[in-house]
Amino acid sequence: NAGVTQTPKFQVLKTGQSMTLQCAQDMNHEYMSWYRQDPGMGLRLIHYSVGAGITDQGEVPNGYNVSRSTTEDFPLRLLSAAPSQTSVYFCASSHRTGPLEQYFGPGTRLTVT
Amino acid sequence: TQLLEQSPQFLSIQEGENLTVYCNSSSVFSSLQWYRQEPGEGPVLLVTVVTGGEVKKLKRLTFQFGDARKDSSLHITAAQPGDTGLYLCAGAGSNDYKLSFGAGTTVTVRA
Repeated sequence: NAGVTQTPKFQVLKTGQSMTLQCAQDMNHEYMSWYRQDPGMGLRLIHYSVGAGITDQGEVPNGYNVSRSTTEDFPLRLLSAAPSQTSVYFCASSHRTGPLEQYFGPGTRLTVT
Repeated sequence: TQLLEQSPQFLSIQEGENLTVYCNSSSVFSSLQWYRQEPGEGPVLLVTVVTGGEVKKLKRLTFQFGDARKDSSLHITAAQPGDTGLYLCAGAGSNDYKLSFGAGTTVTVRA
């Protein structure tokens, strides 16, 4: 099992550009989520999904879109990148019942100039 | 949003010493998790506690969930350089799918 995979590992964008961060898991987890990690702020939830076709907003959803067309994939789209979106982004998955024990991907380091 | 406060923010100790990291909130959680994160990697789950007053041990690591399920602690006995990392606590409410994370404690164990 590959677990949770994320691509790309690193990305540099100019302000106003759009892009999609890819996330896939092969553990048949119903629950998938996106977090951003900034120094001194821990992990903040951007969006999450409890199954294919279902998504909901987390703590910091503005400027990001998600979709969940399959159980395996949960892409995160930046519509018009801003310097405030410079961060490390983590995708995670878990079963949707129980304590949501997250399996994290390796992260994508995004810089917006 | 259920806030989790971790203390201290940074901890630097000598190999062989003990340390305790705290995770506190004014909210009640149905479960609380501890993760460890190493530079350039995603967090890895260490333990989940679900019952008030519960104590779990993982080799030299001891995790405790407060009786009121609002706080937790992580105690490391005889720390080793391999314990170095960012320790994160995370709590889940009983009726939502949103996991809240603390800001983390950076632990450095010097050889």
